Amino acid sequence: EVQLVQSGAEVKKPGESLEISCKGSEYSFTTYWIAWVRQMPGKGLEWMGIIYPSDSYSTYSPSFQGQVTFSADKSISTAYLQWSSLKASDTAIYYCAILVGGYCSHTSCYGAYWGQGTLVTVSS
Amino acid sequence: SYVLTQPPSVSVAPGQTARITCGGNNIGRKSVHWYQQKPGQAPVLVVYDDSDRPSGIPERFSGSKSGNTATLTISRVEAGDEADYFCQVWDSSSGHYVFGSGTEVTVV
Repeated sequence: EVQLVQSGAEVKKPGESLEISCKGSEYSFTTYWIAWVRQMPGKGLEWMGIIYPSDSYSTYSPSFQGQVTFSADKSISTAYLQWSSLKASDTAIYYCAILVGGYCSHTSCYGAYWGQGTLVTVSS
Repeated sequence: SYVLTQPPSVSVAPGQTARITCGGNNIGRKSVHWYQQKPGQAPVLVVYDDSDRPSGIPERFSGSKSGNTATLTISRVEAGDEADYFCQVWDSSSGHYVFGSGTEVTVV
């Protein structure tokens, strides 16, 4: 069964760094793009960007460019979302999703499989 | 940036039909995908490429497009269909992906 398993909830202080993970299993990790999606408390879904694990090529939505960094370690089928300096406004649930549909930076793809989400709380 | 507009909420009686719209400029030229999200759960894909259903999604869920509007239709609505529904597209002009604002479906 195709699965994405995300790392556990985090509680951090403003200014701290953080990396959360998304581990894929039962599929070819380097063949499919992964998306990162934010959901702030009580709000809708926001597309953060995508990463191609084969070469770690990434594109970021304008609101997230320069705010976060995507990476991937294909040897352990794991994608990462990283912050260098957290803000209170980063408090949210973060989802990863496997994208299906082609070369997703140049064509329409959709999230066929989703991780369970990671809750990040940033508070002083 | 590209904007997708959804109604905030839709109410429907059990057994009736719910229609959730998603409006966007030239949406007829884009592939539209729909997700269902129940409280405390991750999103689930219910329709992709305008009108295709993933395996395991009931036939009661269908998608269509007309003009500048895409529609997710839920036939014979059940209590278990209560959820938030989001449309999503890829905007070729910017190369970015966008979600609609989401529609809360309430079964009354």
